[in-house]
Amino acid sequence: SQTIHQWPATLVQPVGSPLSLECTVEGTSNPNLYWYRQAAGRGLQLLFYSVGIGQISSEVPQNLSASRPQDRQFILSSKKLLLSDSGFYLCAWRAVQGENTGELFFGEGSRLTVL
Amino acid sequence: AQSVAQPEDQVNVAEGNPLTVKCTYSVSGNPYLFWYVQYPNRGLQFLLKYITGDNLVKGSYGFEAEFNKSQTSFHLKKPSALVSDSALYFCAVRVRTGGFKTIFGAGTRLFVKA
Repeated sequence: SQTIHQWPATLVQPVGSPLSLECTVEGTSNPNLYWYRQAAGRGLQLLFYSVGIGQISSEVPQNLSASRPQDRQFILSSKKLLLSDSGFYLCAWRAVQGENTGELFFGEGSRLTVL
Repeated sequence: AQSVAQPEDQVNVAEGNPLTVKCTYSVSGNPYLFWYVQYPNRGLQFLLKYITGDNLVKGSYGFEAEFNKSQTSFHLKKPSALVSDSALYFCAVRVRTGGFKTIFGAGTRLFVKA
């Protein structure tokens, strides 16, 4: 069966420090991968998605970047965090098969607090 | 542009009563529609989806949703609510053709009172 791991679960970082959140998927190949941010426990904002190794699409110009160095690994990074980067970050994957109708499967999230 | 609207920030219902969480969508083309649930400090969990066919789709934990093309709606329903159904519910949409992105509504918080 497929699983998704996301870490760290919680992170407290000072303004101006770097960030690296990691997400890995097991049990599937060539998934679509996604990073979402959830602010204040409500709506989800799509940050990045990837349809293959090294292929990153950015939805919102901002202080963050993403990379996909391996098929099932998706990394969210920042060189210098801002206060506004605080939030709950969710990684998700979707199987690519058939008509591509599949639902998203989410990790457990990483809560980032920037002080 | 694709969009999803969940007009209610919060829905309150008594345990044992039926519940409805509303969702309307706007897409250019035929949509795939989804409902997800989120418990506190957790990731989202998939509940059900509409792809094609029967307008009434059944999902996990006794939930169902009705697709209405003329009203562009996809309301989530359950005949008898449980206290454990209290959570944050998200409606989501994705277009069929070349659609890699799933767009989420703002979420509706469901409170089921014992």
